[in-house]
Amino acid sequence: DAKTTQPNSMESNEEEPVHLPCNHSTISGTDYIHWYRQLPSQGPEYVIHGLTSNVNNRMASLAIAEDRKSSTLILHRATLRDAAVYYCILRSGGSNYKLTFGKGTLLTVNP
Amino acid sequence: SAVISQKPSRDICQRGTSLTIQCQVDSQVTMMFWYRQQPGQSLTLIATANQGSEATYESGFVIDKFPISRPNLTFSTLTVSNMSPEDSSIYLCSVGTAKTNTGELFFGEGSRLTVL
Repeated sequence: DAKTTQPNSMESNEEEPVHLPCNHSTISGTDYIHWYRQLPSQGPEYVIHGLTSNVNNRMASLAIAEDRKSSTLILHRATLRDAAVYYCILRSGGSNYKLTFGKGTLLTVNP
Repeated sequence: SAVISQKPSRDICQRGTSLTIQCQVDSQVTMMFWYRQQPGQSLTLIATANQGSEATYESGFVIDKFPISRPNLTFSTLTVSNMSPEDSSIYLCSVGTAKTNTGELFFGEGSRLTVL
């Protein structure tokens, strides 16, 4: 599996935007970029995913570099509930939904 | 989406015993996976639970230690055999369905095992 690199931790203030970076320089042409987050004492939950174009949904936005070697998850207005570990994961295209988790980024949101 | 129920949610076990964790999904799903999350660590995939056939294990995990069953499209079990304190972890069931076009996986709340 292609690897991703994320900062170990980041800090943000409530109601401010948060940009969570992810490097994936060995990404292949068929790899999807997935983001999950894990709130304290819960299982991971899906946030967003993309292939080449930027994506928006009700939770976040995903900005993908033109060469696809990096991406950024954007939380437009952080809330205390967004404090979690955020995982950037590359998933091979096709019917195999298997995910390989890295260490992720621990996001702390200050009130 | 898929709602996943795991039992037990937590347990304290004695060294040398075995424990079976159940994963029940509220709808038929294509894929089921079992993950382990050791204290303070990320998730590690144990195996893919295959309906009606033997599970597919990841490197470092073997059937004798982690036997898995998947009798139908909504249910799976993971047994942690001959437990030692190193098996103290959260074990999570995860499912995927071809009905969504996102390829997302849904996760249960996890089963927290403490081995004494």
